Amino acid sequence: QVQLQESGPGLVKPSQTLSLTCTVSGGSISSGSYYWSWIRQPAGKGLEWIGRIYSSGNTNYNPSLKSRVTMSVDTSKNQFSLNLSSVTAADTAVYYCARDSRSGSHDYWGQGNLVTVSS
Amino acid sequence: DIVMTQSPDSLAVSLGERATINCKSSQSVLYSSNSYNYLAWYQQKPGQPPKVLIYWASTRASGVPDRFSGSGSGTDFTLTISSLQAEDVAVYYCQQYYATPYTFGQGTKLEIK
Repeated sequence: QVQLQESGPGLVKPSQTLSLTCTVSGGSISSGSYYWSWIRQPAGKGLEWIGRIYSSGNTNYNPSLKSRVTMSVDTSKNQFSLNLSSVTAADTAVYYCARDSRSGSHDYWGQGNLVTVSS
Repeated sequence: DIVMTQSPDSLAVSLGERATINCKSSQSVLYSSNSYNYLAWYQQKPGQPPKVLIYWASTRASGVPDRFSGSGSGTDFTLTISSLQAEDVAVYYCQQYYATPYTFGQGTKLEIK
């Protein structure tokens, strides 16, 4: 059974960089031809897709965040990561990592990591 | 970006009754080469991540009860719960994965009447 777990600080200061890591267990991140996505959800609001990464490092980012987003993958640790720079209070949200199934929908999700942007 | 619009925003249905949620995309999510609609439905309960219910617009994900069904094609889609159970209280989202950026509907909150 594939499991995903986000990790990272729960509090980030404005203008700094938010960094999160997703650790995948129960399967190799580099097998199965899967993309791995980041999705966020402000409290009480809907879901926003941030972007995705393939095990080769190929990425697709949401244009609304593209100038501030960097994703990377570490296949040796079975992890992928999100960096979001120059954060503001508007970036406060629960950040989820998820696997894109072969159909394209997100079939496995982490439990989420609440990140608050505040001084 | 493809805009996904759900209706209604909230819905109250009696136990055992049918619940219907609609989703409309701003452009077709039907891929002509394979005739698949790149549309998924998710269920999210408080404090939990979303859970995929339906993909390819009408294929139930593994372990999803058969009271959940998806229909539609092109730009108009429907999620139907045939007989509402107490555990179905949640927010439901549609999502297109036809093109990046993937986009979600605003969500429909389903409650018991």
